[in-house]
Amino acid sequence: GQNIDQPTEMTATEGAIVQINCTYQTSGFNGLFWYQQHAGEAPTFLSYNVLDGLEEKGRFSSFLSRSKGYSYLLLKELQMKDSASYLCAVRVSGNTPLVFGKGTRLSVIA
Amino acid sequence: GAVVSQHPSRVICKSGTSVKIECRSLDFQATTMFWYRQFPKQSLMLMATSNEGSKATYEQGVEKDKFLINHASLTLSTLTVTSAHPEDSSFYICSARSGSYNEQFFGPGTRLTVL
Repeated sequence: GQNIDQPTEMTATEGAIVQINCTYQTSGFNGLFWYQQHAGEAPTFLSYNVLDGLEEKGRFSSFLSRSKGYSYLLLKELQMKDSASYLCAVRVSGNTPLVFGKGTRLSVIA
Repeated sequence: GAVVSQHPSRVICKSGTSVKIECRSLDFQATTMFWYRQFPKQSLMLMATSNEGSKATYEQGVEKDKFLINHASLTLSTLTVTSAHPEDSSFYICSARSGSYNEQFFGPGTRLTVL
C-alpha cells in the first residue's frame, strides 16, 4: 500500500518560520503536492515538486528529495491566517489520483 | 487556477433518503473527476475515480451501489448517496483534473449530515 507520514500537530509563533515534514513510501512517484485546508473548507493548492530541490513561492517553499522519500513545506513570516491543516499528497503515476497524508494541523499563536 | 464548484454546500437529511451532490468544472474540461470523503480530523480518503463517459472505479471498501457516480459530461459529475445513514455523515469533496494541468482542483466540499 501507499504510506505518507507527517506530524499530526505543530504550533508556531506569529512572524516565525515553521517547517512541516512529510515522508512517503509509495509504489511509484510522479509528483508531490502540498495543500492548505482550513476547517470545513476544501484544500487549496500550495506547491508541486517533481524534481529534487527547492521550489519557492512567496512566503511558502517546498523541498523534495526523491532518493530519501522526503519533502518539507516551509512557511516564513507566519501570520495568524496560516493556522490550518497542511496536507502532503503524492501522485503515484501519471493518471492516478492523489494519495493524501493525514495532514498537519498548524496553530499560529501570538 | 481552475475553478470547481460543488452543490449543495451543506445538506441535512433523514436516514433512508437519497442525496445527490453535483460537482462542476467551471472553466476547464475535466477528463477525470475524483470523489473524496473526509471525516473529522482525518485525511481525505479517495472513494472513486470517474472518467467522462465511462463507469467509475471505486476504491476497496466503497459500495458502488450505495454511492452512485455519474460523469455524463466533461464538466459535470454527480455523487448520489442512496439510503443514507448517520454513519454516512461526512465532508464530501470532489476534485477534477484535465490533461492541461498537473494538479487536481478541489471543489468547496459538501457537508452531509444524516439524522
